[in-house]
Amino acid sequence: NAGVTQTPKFRVLKTGQSMTLLCAQDMNHEYMYWYRQDPGMGLRLIHYSVGEGTTAKGEVPDGYNVSRLKKQNFLLGLESAAPSQTSVYFCATKGPSGYTFGSGTRLTVV
Amino acid sequence: AQTVTQSQPEMSVQEAETVTLSCTYDTSESDYYLFWYKQPPSRQMILVIRQEAYKQQNATENRFSVNFQKAAKSFSLKISDSQLGDAAMYFCAYRSYNFGNEKLTFGTGTRLTIIP
Repeated sequence: NAGVTQTPKFRVLKTGQSMTLLCAQDMNHEYMYWYRQDPGMGLRLIHYSVGEGTTAKGEVPDGYNVSRLKKQNFLLGLESAAPSQTSVYFCATKGPSGYTFGSGTRLTVV
Repeated sequence: AQTVTQSQPEMSVQEAETVTLSCTYDTSESDYYLFWYKQPPSRQMILVIRQEAYKQQNATENRFSVNFQKAAKSFSLKISDSQLGDAAMYFCAYRSYNFGNEKLTFGTGTRLTIIP
């Protein structure tokens, strides 16, 4: 029972490069979320999804895009990475028993 | 929009002593949920305790308890008999009770150090 799996766990990007972070869940949860964590700022919501084929903006959506083509996967894309996007990214899901978080992706943009 | 404030960036406590972490929030809703999450160096987010706003009784989980003051919009976490394994970042979080608006809003966190 993997729960929530984030891929990759670490990544270094050059400014202007693009990449996609993958969140995969095996719990059949409808709700999925992408957060970023920065020192002194806690976790801030980037985008979220309330079901397959749906997405919505969170608190800090600029510079990111998301897709939820399959219920079990929630992708976070950076089209043109900037140093301000250096952060730890967390995926989370919500089910009947509460929230489950992935282990995070540490992204550094140089 | 709801906001969550943790005014103590860092706290420290002697092993076996008691420590209280503060959290205040702002909302116009009458029903909601409040949470405390623990994040050890492994980065894993671990639920410590949860409180439903409509319940007057404060939640308790073993050595962890909360002081929920709804009128004051305050939600503090008390850790009794502190242990070395309690060292971590602690986040307070808010969730609306409304269906379809089930996002977690987090505070900025408190780093707790346990002194042996």
